[in-house]
Amino acid sequence: DQQVKQNSPSLSVQEGRISILNCDYTNSMFDYFLWYKKYPAEGPTFLISISSIKDKNEDGRFTVFLNKSAKHLSLHIVPSQPGDSAVYFCAATLNRDDKIIFGKGTRLHILP
Amino acid sequence: GAVVSQHPSRVICKSGTSVKIECRSLDFQATTMFWYRQFPKQSLMLMATSNEGSKATYEQGVEKDKFLINHASLTLSTLTVTSAHPEDSSFYICSAVGTGKETQYFGPGTRLLVL
Repeated sequence: DQQVKQNSPSLSVQEGRISILNCDYTNSMFDYFLWYKKYPAEGPTFLISISSIKDKNEDGRFTVFLNKSAKHLSLHIVPSQPGDSAVYFCAATLNRDDKIIFGKGTRLHILP
Repeated sequence: GAVVSQHPSRVICKSGTSVKIECRSLDFQATTMFWYRQFPKQSLMLMATSNEGSKATYEQGVEKDKFLINHASLTLSTLTVTSAHPEDSSFYICSAVGTGKETQYFGPGTRLLVL
């Protein structure tokens, strides 16, 4: 059973506009959420994270929003740039045991 | 930032052979390393947690006799796929834990193709 769900396998966004990547989770015990970016044939790289006690975290062009009641989080990228084209994984951890549970990823295409 | 390397980056082998993949943390000590595999269009699946000096902890459904993990030092963990079969063809990624959750650094991955 998928505990972290990314229901959109792909997303296309015009360069300069906002990219919004969505993620839902089922386990209310998750204490930490992370977003990773992955290029083909490379390992994931960490982008941004948020603790379950917060509802927003911002870092440059990246903002993550957490809605615990809806068990939903989203990653906003603004403005979107060509180099943002990649697969984005939403992930969560449980009880700080360092295991990361990943969603299936969303492929983001930034259109010129 | 911290660097994690994997070797080899790509390997092609015949069915029935064993393949060893190395994961090294290059500039920090990692008491814990994780091994993941990724099938096309699927998420990263955690296979096992590798702790230095102790036995690895395998996730449910992962055969410990098939995927041998050795974490002999604070900078090296190895994954050996024994008697590989075509269904083992996948992208294997390791990660090493630094001082906090954000500091789980991923290796570049190893593409395994079993013919």
